[in-house]
Amino acid sequence: ETGVTQSPTHLIKTRGQQVTLRCSSQSGHNTVSWYQQALGQGPQFIFQYYREEENGRGNFPPRFSGLQFPNYSSELNVNALELDDSALYLCASSPALNTGELFFGEGSRLTVL
Amino acid sequence: SQKIEQNSEALNIQEGKTATLTCNYTNYSPAYLQWYRQDPGRGPVFLLLIRENEKEKRKERLKVTFDTTLKQSLFHITASQPADSATYLCAQGSSGGSYIPTFGRGTSLIVHP
Repeated sequence: ETGVTQSPTHLIKTRGQQVTLRCSSQSGHNTVSWYQQALGQGPQFIFQYYREEENGRGNFPPRFSGLQFPNYSSELNVNALELDDSALYLCASSPALNTGELFFGEGSRLTVL
Repeated sequence: SQKIEQNSEALNIQEGKTATLTCNYTNYSPAYLQWYRQDPGRGPVFLLLIRENEKEKRKERLKVTFDTTLKQSLFHITASQPADSATYLCAQGSSGGSYIPTFGRGTSLIVHP
């Protein structure tokens, strides 16, 4: 059984640029959640997708957008990057809604210069 | 607003002792609380989930309690080992429309040989 995989693992961008992060959910999981984790902080919820529809959104501006594909993989897009967007972006999948337990990938470390 | 709090100070203990980490919540009653382990630069790994109608859960050397009167969960690691050194995250899920876990900032545990 393949776990959650994320790409790229590390990337560096400059202010104003756009970035796309990718996530393949664990086999059999139809729900994907994205979190942002700044250094020394806990993961902050960005949004969740369930069967290709957005199921919930945290307190993030519209320049954070996402997508879930029919195979349940997902993308996180961030436009007009700001320095404060530098963080570890975590993708987590779960086998269904409201199961609670999340299976995380290793994250994508984004640095904005 | 829903808030979950963990001690930001690192917990230092000697190998073989029991480590006890605290998670407090205010202004709401979560349907469940979860505990995750996170190693530096890695994604969180799920450890235990306890529901509001449960007082205690155990898994090998791990034990978690849920006290709805004190609005607190305690996470215990018995016979701690240096390999248990990591950051431990508490997360809550509420039944008010969404079970999406929201996380505390985590507590760093350092087990000294």
